[in-house]
Amino acid sequence: DGGITQSPKYLFRKEGQNVTLSCEQNLNHDAMYWYRQDPGQGLRLIYYSQIVNDFQKGDIAEGYSVSREKKESFPLTVTSAQKNPTAFYLCASSIDLRQTGPYGYTFGSGTRLTVV
Amino acid sequence: GQSLEQPSEVTAVEGAIVQINCTYQTSGFYGLSWYQQHDGGAPTFLSYNGLDGLEETGRFSSFLSRSDSYGYLLLQELQMKDSASYFCAVTNSGNTPLVFGKGTRLSVIA
Repeated sequence: DGGITQSPKYLFRKEGQNVTLSCEQNLNHDAMYWYRQDPGQGLRLIYYSQIVNDFQKGDIAEGYSVSREKKESFPLTVTSAQKNPTAFYLCASSIDLRQTGPYGYTFGSGTRLTVV
Repeated sequence: GQSLEQPSEVTAVEGAIVQINCTYQTSGFYGLSWYQQHDGGAPTFLSYNGLDGLEETGRFSSFLSRSDSYGYLLLQELQMKDSASYFCAVTNSGNTPLVFGKGTRLSVIA
């Protein structure tokens, strides 16, 4: 079965520590994304990547970093510079950025990060 | 800039019909999508409208009016399992990702 796998499902981090969230897809999609979701805030774009070794900042990139060394993988690092990292993080992928047809973005099941 | 507006909450009775509206302001509009997300779960793609009019997929339909910068998602024969958040999302003509609205939380009651 093709899909997106995010791990871990729950993650606890101490203040001042960096943490990396994993995202792997086997859909052969070129584009991948990271979104942050807070209650009542919808989906806010952190970073996206159209192709291997290339990525772009989204609306709320400060305090986050990404890499795209393989087509299948797009890990997100939440750094200690992120002032309010507690949130639900969603990874997604798609055939291309714009989704101009009936094939939408495919989302992973998310990682809930809590800073303790 | 760009913005999408949709109601934050809607409540409807099981078996009824509910309409969730979405208005948008964006430059270079190309299409409107809808996604469903159950609590704690992953958003899933429901529909896409690139042209004006109604697209029907089973109990769900989606409508777009480009001249009014407006669309809606119509859910018929509501079931308890339809209780979820629904997001509209805009595709722009530039090579940029989807822009999502803040979502509408639908509660289906008996």
